Amino acid sequence: AQSVTQLGSHVSVSEGALVLLRCNYSSSVPPYLFWYVQYPNQGLQLLLKYTSAATLVKGINGFEAEFKKSETSFHLTKPSAHMSDAAEYFCAARGGSQGNLIFGKGTKLSVKP
Amino acid sequence: DSGVTQTPKHLITATGQRVTLRCSPRSGDLSVYWYQQSLDQGLQFLIQYYNGEERAKGNILERFSAQQFPDLHSELNLSSLELGDSALYFCASSVAGTGNTGELFFGEGSRLTVL
Repeated sequence: AQSVTQLGSHVSVSEGALVLLRCNYSSSVPPYLFWYVQYPNQGLQLLLKYTSAATLVKGINGFEAEFKKSETSFHLTKPSAHMSDAAEYFCAARGGSQGNLIFGKGTKLSVKP
Repeated sequence: DSGVTQTPKHLITATGQRVTLRCSPRSGDLSVYWYQQSLDQGLQFLIQYYNGEERAKGNILERFSAQQFPDLHSELNLSSLELGDSALYFCASSVAGTGNTGELFFGEGSRLTVL
């Protein structure tokens, strides 16, 4: 069964610093991987997705993620954090024939001025 | 705006009661998914419907049921409510069902508070 692990429930960075949010997946088949962002009192918005094309995926708001099969990882990065990036970020995976997504527990990102 | 509409946005009710949450998917999407988000459990998949038929089941309690109607909107029925059912309930939709490689589009959620 597919599972997703996000390391770190809370990450705090200074404005302008690198953002790195970690995600590892477990699957016996090549997965489809996603990063979503949730702002307070809002639904989930897709940041980016990996569907076995390029291993480096670029998303919205300057975020990108790299799929590393050898490490079963799909970490999310952004070179320079902005105050507006403060939100909760979820990594998700779909494996096999199921249409639903399996989500990690989420990482809450705080950005300090 | 994802195009997925959920009502009501907020709901406060008492233990033992029954509520119905409603979801209208994006135009053209055939699949509807229900998720429960709580602080301790995170985002848990409940159930998926595709073109009116149940397609996949997750951690959905027997007190909960759902259906998808011919116009593709979906309802999630929660009965004999307990304090622990207090959570944010999300609906999501996608074009296809199983084998879909695309993303899910999420509504803004229905926040249920059971007192």
